[in-house]
Amino acid sequence: AQSVTQLDSQVPVFEEAPVELRCNYSSSVSVYLFWYVQYPNQGLQLLLKYLSGSTLVESINGFEAEFNKSQTSFHLRKPSVHISDTAEYFCAVSSSAAGGSYIPTFGRGTSLIVHP
Amino acid sequence: KAGVTQTPRYLIKTRGQQVTLSCSPISGHRSVSWYQQTPGQGLQFLFEYFSETQRNKGNFPGRFSGRQFSNSRSEMNVSTLELGDSALYLCASKSRTSDGDTQYFGPGTRLTVL
Repeated sequence: AQSVTQLDSQVPVFEEAPVELRCNYSSSVSVYLFWYVQYPNQGLQLLLKYLSGSTLVESINGFEAEFNKSQTSFHLRKPSVHISDTAEYFCAVSSSAAGGSYIPTFGRGTSLIVHP
Repeated sequence: KAGVTQTPRYLIKTRGQQVTLSCSPISGHRSVSWYQQTPGQGLQFLFEYFSETQRNKGNFPGRFSGRQFSNSRSEMNVSTLELGDSALYLCASKSRTSDGDTQYFGPGTRLTVL
């Protein structure tokens, strides 16, 4: 079985400050890791993903996440946040399920609140 | 490519009624999954359909069912609605290419049960 723990339910931060949203996972097999962002009244948008290769992955809007296998973590970071980054962020881990399909398990989400 | 679309976006029903939600995946994606999102339980997997067959199922009662058509469009049905079924229902599609089974989500259908 796989599980995801997002350690912080809410992270308040001031604009232009750095931020880290923490995510730890547990799985007995190889995994894919994802971060999604959800704005109010919208669906989830893929922010970035780790499939294989370089352990540091980046998104187009300045976020990055590093896969740490020994610590089973996939923390999300941004060096300088903007008001528009205020949203709910979900970490997900995906491993092979029945039929060979990968079904992701999501964390409970972290609400990033950026103050001016 | 157009993204995942879901209809309707908002729905209000009363207890005991049934409801059908629709999802059109990204063109070329053959897998469609459904999720229920609530403040208390977070995101919970309902089921996945691939090539018109249910491939995986989450831990939900039989009142929740789905189907997929030959064009990969999917519908989800909830019968005998309960107050606790009020939630955002999200549909996601994926393609098993080098994309690593990445799921792409639609905007969701907000269901309110009165």
